[in-house]
Amino acid sequence: QKEVEQDPGPLSVPEGAIVSLNCTYSNSAFQYFMWYRQYSRKGPELLMYTYSSGNKEDGRFTAQVDKSSKYISLFIRDSQPSDSATYLCAMIRQTGANNLFFGTGTRLTVIP
Amino acid sequence: DTGVSQNPRHKITKRGQNVTFRCDPISEHNRLYWYRQTLGQGPEFLTYFQNEAQLEKSRLLSDRFSAERPKGSFSTLEIQRTEQGDSAMYLCASSLAFGTGAYEQYFGPGTRLTVT
Repeated sequence: QKEVEQDPGPLSVPEGAIVSLNCTYSNSAFQYFMWYRQYSRKGPELLMYTYSSGNKEDGRFTAQVDKSSKYISLFIRDSQPSDSATYLCAMIRQTGANNLFFGTGTRLTVIP
Repeated sequence: DTGVSQNPRHKITKRGQNVTFRCDPISEHNRLYWYRQTLGQGPEFLTYFQNEAQLEKSRLLSDRFSAERPKGSFSTLEIQRTEQGDSAMYLCASSLAFGTGAYEQYFGPGTRLTVT
């Protein structure tokens, strides 16, 4: 079993919809939770990250972490066609190399 | 600040050949990471450097793989005797070593390796 699980989708939504993307994890040592966006054949781009449990908002994006359930979410409001990409969740342990543990990514398409 | 750059962007090689990739991190970043990403999967950690010291290697990094960061600036990743299973996107990321910036890894565009 992978340490980070993510539904690969694909997920298609109409423009303007609210998108919900989710990951679960098994390792309690994870303390930092990231969301990356990756366009086809490009490197991942850091969208936002949170430390421990709680919410964080940045424009149309909101990240939520529930450590008790080992569950994280990314919400995208008023989705745009330019949001079409693969969204990767990633996590870092409190100690060690700070290397990222990624989910498989969810492919999102926003239809105009 | 031009971001993380990687060269070449795409490499096609025959099985058994050696290949070398280069990564130039963001200039003030002390830490440099290498990851590998195969189709439909998230990136997987290979190794990382803090300045010129290679501090951790994943078990994914077989003996055929070697990485260097000789002056604490750019890094190279060499694969010897390539195999078809080495075909993947090789990603480099960099970050600061301390403070909240240590958790913000910025990725380059990747080098796509195809082994025929």
